[in-house]
Amino acid sequence: GENVEQHPSTLSVQEGDSAVIKCTYSDSASNYFPWYKQELGKRPQLIIDIRSNVGEKKDQRIAVTLNKTAKHFSLHITETQPEDSAVYFCAASGRGGGNKLTFGTGTQLKVEL
Amino acid sequence: DVKVTQSSRYLVKRTGEKVFLECVQDMDHENMFWYRQDPGLGLRLIYFSYDVKMKEKGDIPEGYSVSREKKERFSLILESASTNQTSMYLCASSPGAGVDYGYTFGSGTRLTVV
Repeated sequence: GENVEQHPSTLSVQEGDSAVIKCTYSDSASNYFPWYKQELGKRPQLIIDIRSNVGEKKDQRIAVTLNKTAKHFSLHITETQPEDSAVYFCAASGRGGGNKLTFGTGTQLKVEL
Repeated sequence: DVKVTQSSRYLVKRTGEKVFLECVQDMDHENMFWYRQDPGLGLRLIYFSYDVKMKEKGDIPEGYSVSREKKERFSLILESASTNQTSMYLCASSPGAGVDYGYTFGSGTRLTVV
């Protein structure tokens, strides 16, 4: 089945700096790559996603890039703010349908003042 | 406007008990999922369902079963709870129709087995 690796596990940045989280996947048939943000004690929430026919997608301060050849995708957060502090999860759909997602192990992002 | 509701936020059960975790969604979604979340391990898929009465094993189905008798409800059953099933359990749903979408998650049930 699909395997998703996520790095780094923790990331600390200064307010206003950029943050980058990287994920790799194993199944070349994967075609959907969402990113989730989970604040402490809350449910994961979808923040951005990208499909395999697109190389980059941007939504205000967040962007996701996808390299299908290398099988990796990344989340970029610019001008970080304290409210960006959370755990971020990447995920990838595998073959077999049913919208099944395999998640990475998460990145704890801390934005320091 | 809560769309995926998990019946319990916290549960404490004894080893060997049969445990039911309930999840209800009001978005008429085809797909429903149960994940467990453990520190350092991310979210791991236990079971999922893409239609009423249909179920598929995920990556870690051992010790669990599921039931989907109605489209809006997906239940996770721990047949005989064990301490290694202490975890946060997250239910999720997505529209289906052959296209992948992001999930809507419930608030989670933190289960402690003693």
